[in-house]
Amino acid sequence: QVQLVESGGGVVQPGRSLRLSCEASGFTLSTYALHWVRQAPGKGLEWVAVISYDGVNKYYVDSVKGRFTISRDNSKSTVFLQMNSLRGDDTAVYYCARSSDTRNNFDYWGQGTLVTVSS
Amino acid sequence: EIVLTQSPGTLSLSPGERATLSCRASHSVTSYFLGWYQQKPGQAPRLLIYGASSRATGIPDRFSGSGSGTDFTLTISRLEPEDFAVYYCQQYGSSPITFGQGTRLEIK
Repeated sequence: QVQLVESGGGVVQPGRSLRLSCEASGFTLSTYALHWVRQAPGKGLEWVAVISYDGVNKYYVDSVKGRFTISRDNSKSTVFLQMNSLRGDDTAVYYCARSSDTRNNFDYWGQGTLVTVSS
Repeated sequence: EIVLTQSPGTLSLSPGERATLSCRASHSVTSYFLGWYQQKPGQAPRLLIYGASSRATGIPDRFSGSGSGTDFTLTISRLEPEDFAVYYCQQYGSSPITFGQGTRLEIK
């Protein structure tokens, strides 16, 4: 069955970096776009970034441009989110989600990984 | 950026009743690019509706979506106990992809 499993979350100080991973199984990751979506505690959903199936196209929400980088290694069925210069308002559960292309619905989601930015 | 505004913020209903949730966009959204998600506490969101009116795989037919342009609606015809959750609309046709702020459906 389709599975997306996030990892790499934790507690990090402001200004530091963290790299999240999203490992896919049960389908061929190389044929899908992959998104990161975050949810601050008690808040709604915020789309963060997307990478196309081949890694060529990448798009970000303005608040993370220049700080976050999305990448993928299709040979390892894994997508990454490198987060630099972390701030308190980056604290959230980070979900990865699959879509058939960069402009399509998110049909499967992982269970999320919590990132807490605090001194 | 397309802003999605959902109403009401909270909807209190009883099992068996009909629920109508609204999503209004700040700019016109092509129906193909409008979806609805359900999220229960401690869980990831689940896709319910895509293309404004198509049910995702495994979604019961009591869930239906409609609308066009800037006004979209999610209807649950007869509420089951497991339907009480938070619902989000989403547009994915324009970057950045945006979500509404959510409607909490609670048991009355």
